[in-house]
Amino acid sequence: EPEVTQTPSHQVTQMGQEVILRCVPISNHLYFYWYRQILGQKVEFLVSFYNNEISEKSEIFDDQFSVERPDGSNFTLKIRSTKLEDSAMYFCASSGTLAKTMNTEAFFGQGTRLTVV
Amino acid sequence: GQNIDQPTEMTATEGAIVQINCTYQTSGFNGLFWYQQHAGEAPTFLSYNVLDGLEEKGRFSSFLSRSKGYSYLLLKELQMKDSASYLCAVTDSNYQLIWGAGTKLIIKP
Repeated sequence: EPEVTQTPSHQVTQMGQEVILRCVPISNHLYFYWYRQILGQKVEFLVSFYNNEISEKSEIFDDQFSVERPDGSNFTLKIRSTKLEDSAMYFCASSGTLAKTMNTEAFFGQGTRLTVV
Repeated sequence: GQNIDQPTEMTATEGAIVQINCTYQTSGFNGLFWYQQHAGEAPTFLSYNVLDGLEEKGRFSSFLSRSKGYSYLLLKELQMKDSASYLCAVTDSNYQLIWGAGTKLIIKP
């Protein structure tokens, strides 16, 4: 069964450093997302990406964050100058195919636990 | 603003039935999802409702009333493995998913 894969599963970084979280969405999906979940809190939308550009972003997704689809398979989230409060689980998700673009469920990767120390 | 409300925590007994409610106020509505999330894991899709009524899928059923901005997830014949958080999420007029905070369901033997 196709799945979304994320690497690494756990990343520890020092405050002020840059991190890149990697995701491989399901191959025929068209929409890609990043979500964040701080421990014990709700899932928060960060950004959605479609047709090689950002389609929506939340107020959390400021200049510290960027996304990129460097090739046909990877979808990355870069966090610059990490802060302690960036520690969270980051989930990548993908959805939608050419046959059915809207109102399809998002399939989530297993997440990357980012710890900023 | 956009808001989704769910109870924070519920407790039920193995073999019983539990109903988890969700109310929402969003700018537009294009469907409601229920996801299950075990601690430390990714959310997994359970159900999708866009029309009023009940959708049944095995032990799980989901109900929607658009006029009331209300949904519930019904879990029957509860098993210990059903202990998890249950997340309600609504797609708004921009097809953006708005998430509730989740309901932590504790199953007791």
